Amino acid sequence: QSVLTQPPSASGTPGQRVTISCSGSSSNIGNNYVYWYQQLPGTAPKLLIYRNNQRPSGVPDRFSGSKSGTSASLAISGLRSEDEADYYCAAWDDSLRRLFGTGTQVTVL
Amino acid sequence: QVQLQQWGAGLLKPSETLSLTCAVYGGSLSDYYWSWIRQPPGEGLEWIGEIHHSGRTNYNPSLKSRVTMSIDTSKNQFSVTLSSVTAADTAIYYCARGPPDVWGNGTTVTVSS
Repeated sequence: QSVLTQPPSASGTPGQRVTISCSGSSSNIGNNYVYWYQQLPGTAPKLLIYRNNQRPSGVPDRFSGSKSGTSASLAISGLRSEDEADYYCAAWDDSLRRLFGTGTQVTVL
Repeated sequence: QVQLQQWGAGLLKPSETLSLTCAVYGGSLSDYYWSWIRQPPGEGLEWIGEIHHSGRTNYNPSLKSRVTMSIDTSKNQFSVTLSSVTAADTAIYYCARGPPDVWGNGTTVTVSS
């Protein structure tokens, strides 16, 4: 498996909770940390979650990450208009390469 | 706070070699892997590879035959070359630190005859 699988899109109204899944295998998510990135249009990706569920300083606690087995999830609670962006998961694979998810476009309705 | 500044040629012809450099400001190359990642227009992120300050490298198997990464600790810079480019190599190329946790702003590379 050369990529991590995410749903292409997700949406919600302001204030709702949105969850994005990331599916991998035992050689990547199952055995290594998961990272999540937010990419606003025309900008470089920004780290949202590291080591499965840790938030860098400055990232709102509305963003949370979790991992179970060979899958991971990113939850956005209290959805805001500025959360409209593309979101990517990433994990190291034991074959000595880094994998990125297919990406999920979040729309705030 | 670590910042990455990258540069390189933005327009290439098929069969030419892509060359990009990334300078690290506000921090040292030591104790980290330094990555290159690309994003074709309208598509997702693709990991190209990484280099440790010791010089150890890991490359994406799909690009390994064409990629070379190097590091210059005296200048606090690292670089990537990608040979024999085609239109499929057109993308925004990012340099980054580690997992990655810090990203450069990206360089748009277009391959066109």
